[in-house]
Amino acid sequence: DTGVSQDPRHKITKRGQNVTFRCDPISEHNRLYWYRQTLGQGPEFLTYFQNEAQLEKSRLLSDRFSAERPKGSFSTLEIQRTEQGDSAMYLCASSVEDQPQHFGDGTRLSIL
Amino acid sequence: AQKVTQAQTEISVVEKEDVTLDCVYETRDTTYYLFWYKQPPSGELVFLIRRNSFDEQNEISGRYSWNFQKSTSSFNFTITASQVVDSAVYFCALSEAVTDKLIFGTGTRLQVFP
Repeated sequence: DTGVSQDPRHKITKRGQNVTFRCDPISEHNRLYWYRQTLGQGPEFLTYFQNEAQLEKSRLLSDRFSAERPKGSFSTLEIQRTEQGDSAMYLCASSVEDQPQHFGDGTRLSIL
Repeated sequence: AQKVTQAQTEISVVEKEDVTLDCVYETRDTTYYLFWYKQPPSGELVFLIRRNSFDEQNEISGRYSWNFQKSTSSFNFTITASQVVDSAVYFCALSEAVTDKLIFGTGTRLQVFP
């Protein structure tokens, strides 16, 4: 059990560019979650996968955001045409049913 | 709507003091879970405890204890004999029984000074 892994740890990009983050959940965890955390706030739910199916999306997830989990293992979160307001820590978590979520270290996104 | 309130933004204590972090929640669900997570300066959220809505029994784990009271919709966390390593931001969270998505409070930053 190596824990939830996120890559990259930090991403700096110019406004308007596209970025993609990757999350590798704990092996055998069929549930995967993405959250966003801004400075001084708690994490906010973005989306949730059970295996490869995306079962829920927050209203926070605008049409510039897309998440995938093609084979029910790792997941990617893409932000197109980044804006200043997208600067945040993006957290991934995984779990199995009826067990608590375990979080990765997050990807910190900074928009110049 | 579901909501978690952590009214204490920041708490500072001296090592060995006891400290209680408050958490008040709102939900219309009858089945739900409550959580505490710790976020040290490194950034990773560390799971501490989960309680379901049907279990109001208080829990103790070493220097940590949790008091769940449905009558006041509170789930408070006490650290006994605090240590410098306890310095972190602590988040209380609520989840529905079905989707498990977490609703977090704004966190309480605890600073323990030597």
